[in-house]
Amino acid sequence: GESVGLHLPTLSVQEGDNSIINCAYSNSASDYFIWYKQESGKGPQFIIDIRSNMDKRQGQRVTVLLNKTVKHLSLQIAATQPGDSAVYFCAENTRGESSYKLIFGSGTRLLVRP
Amino acid sequence: EAGVAQSPRYKIIEKRQSVAFWCNPISGHATLYWYQQILGQGPKLLIQFQNNGVVDDSQLPKDRFSAERLKGVDSTLKIQPAKLEDSAVYLCASSSRWGSMYNEQFFGPGTRLTVL
Repeated sequence: GESVGLHLPTLSVQEGDNSIINCAYSNSASDYFIWYKQESGKGPQFIIDIRSNMDKRQGQRVTVLLNKTVKHLSLQIAATQPGDSAVYFCAENTRGESSYKLIFGSGTRLLVRP
Repeated sequence: EAGVAQSPRYKIIEKRQSVAFWCNPISGHATLYWYQQILGQGPKLLIQFQNNGVVDDSQLPKDRFSAERLKGVDSTLKIQPAKLEDSAVYLCASSSRWGSMYNEQFFGPGTRLTVL
C-alpha cells in the first residue's frame, strides 16, 4: 500500500505485546497535546489527548504520559493488535498570533508482527 | 456523520503547471485548515479559515499558493506554478470551534500531489 513515510523511526512489536512510542515537544508554554494515528492513504485520526495539568490519561488500550519537566510525551498501547500498525504523531496545540494551531512531531511507524 | 471530503485523491503534474485541490468540511464546522505533509514528516499548517475569513496564513507560500473559502463552507487550495518541492500530501481538516485550545480537528484523506 501507499507509504506515509519512508524514513521514519520504526518500532516493531509482537502482536499482544505492549508498545511505547515517545515524543519530544518544543514549546514549554504548550498546554494541550494530542496523539494521532495515520494509516496508509488516510488522514490523521485522533487517538487521545492530555492537558498540561495532568501527568497521565487513559483511554481504551491507550495511555498517554506527559513529563513537562523534560518536555516529553509517550503513548502506550496495551496488547498491540495488527490493526494498530500505522504512523503515530504527537502534536502540541500552541497559541499563534490570532488562534491556536497544531504543531506535529516527526512521527513513529509502528509495525505489529503476527 | 460524513467526514471531511477531498478531491482529487491523486494528482500528477509537471513543474510550472497549476493545480487545485478541493475540500468539503464536516457539516456545520466553521473552522477549516489546509496542511502540507511531505513524505516522512508530520503535517504542517498552511492556512486556517474561520467561516470565510483567514485566521492564519503565516506559513502559506503566497507567491505560488492561494486558498479561498468564499461561502464559508467548501474550500480550494491552488498552486501556481508548481515546483518539485511541492510534492506532498495536502490534507484538509475541520473543527467545530475556534479560539479554544481544546479543539479537535477532523482530517480528510488527503490529496497526494506528485510534481515531475
